[in-house]
Amino acid sequence: GIQVEQSPPDLILQEGANSTLRCNFSDSVNNLQWFHQNPWGQLINLFYIPSGTKQNGRLSATTVATERYSLLYISSSQTTDSGVYFCAVNTGTASKLTFGTGTRLQVTL
Amino acid sequence: DTGVSQNPRHKITKRGQNVTFRCDPISEHNRLYWYRQTLGQGPEFLTYFQNEAQLEKSRLLSDRFSAERPKGSFSTLEIQRTEQGDSAMYLCASSRRVGIDETQYFGPGTRLLVL
Repeated sequence: GIQVEQSPPDLILQEGANSTLRCNFSDSVNNLQWFHQNPWGQLINLFYIPSGTKQNGRLSATTVATERYSLLYISSSQTTDSGVYFCAVNTGTASKLTFGTGTRLQVTL
Repeated sequence: DTGVSQNPRHKITKRGQNVTFRCDPISEHNRLYWYRQTLGQGPEFLTYFQNEAQLEKSRLLSDRFSAERPKGSFSTLEIQRTEQGDSAMYLCASSRRVGIDETQYFGPGTRLLVL
């Protein structure tokens, strides 16, 4: 099956700093989503982005499907950005999502 | 949309007991998914429904697990003869294709602890 790897695995930032999270995948994908999992376990949709670039406030994402990677940019980070960030993909005719290994982000004051 | 809801939010049970979880998807979403997440890992796919038909099951879904989606609305996931290894967060998601967009929306999860 498809392999999805994220880097870095852990990241500690001071409030106000910017960061880039990376997601590499091993095969062509139909769907790519970025999620933020908050400390209570809720998976919050950030982007549906199988290709191209999208922006939502302080967050933006870019997927280069031909090179099999996606980037999530967080600017002016806030303590509420803390949590685990997952990318997830599906391939071919499958609807199920395969999740990456996650990036654990901690934003400190 | 009121979002995906799951009940109960937490469940503590003794090994060998049966448990049942419920998921109510976003209305008009025809696809419903169950995932399981253990500590420190990403969610893993368990099973998937399109309307009332169960179209795919993971190898993770042993014979002790059964899922239903009668009438294509809410879904239940039952675990029989629970084992300590079943302790995990059980997540439900739903989706509906709109053009090329098929975003999956997740519920808050049911956290299961088997003693």
